[in-house]
Amino acid sequence: NAGVMQNPRHLVRRRGQEARLRCSPMKGHSHVYWYRQLPEEGLKFMVYLQKENIIDESGMPKERFSAEFPKEGPSILRIQQVVRGDSAAYFCASSRQGYSTDTQYFGPGTRLTVL
Amino acid sequence: KQEVTQIPAALSVPEGENLVLNCSFTDSAIYNLQWFRQDPGKGLTSLLLIQSSQREQTSGRLNASLDKSSGRSTLYIAASQPGDSATYLCAVPVTSSGGGADGLTFGKGTHLIIQP
Repeated sequence: NAGVMQNPRHLVRRRGQEARLRCSPMKGHSHVYWYRQLPEEGLKFMVYLQKENIIDESGMPKERFSAEFPKEGPSILRIQQVVRGDSAAYFCASSRQGYSTDTQYFGPGTRLTVL
Repeated sequence: KQEVTQIPAALSVPEGENLVLNCSFTDSAIYNLQWFRQDPGKGLTSLLLIQSSQREQTSGRLNASLDKSSGRSTLYIAASQPGDSATYLCAVPVTSSGGGADGLTFGKGTHLIIQP
């Protein structure tokens, strides 16, 4: 059973370009979470999704950021018109059913660098 | 708004010592608390998850305790080894209404170095 997969592992973009980060949850998991880790800062929750639904996006910046988890395929975190301050490690996690007994399993992250 | 604090921020001890990492949280209405480790440049590995109804969980040389009423958790590492060197993070659900299915609020971590 493969773990949470994220790609690409490293992504370089110039200011103003778009960044698309992909996350495939563990098999059998229907809950996906995205987090951002800025340099020298802790992990910050961004958004929580179930299949085709955004459950909680309270941690998402109001502009330029969006997320989806379609019925088929991976979850996508999309950043439009990237700026240097978006440079960070973006982690995806998944859990099975969303009960309080469920551990969140993390992927290896995508490290975004904005030039 | 839930806030998580971890003390100390960094710790360096000789191999073989027992050690305790501390975590405190401001909103005691939590469903669970998780401890993770993060190695440099890597993702997070889940170590232990404690339900709000539990007082402790053990896995090998690791023991985590939870005192919900005082908003505290500790991670005890017995007979430390150089391979234990990593950053240790504790996390609780962002809100108390998610039923356990929730984003997590993390502390900034304790950076642990075990000297050979």
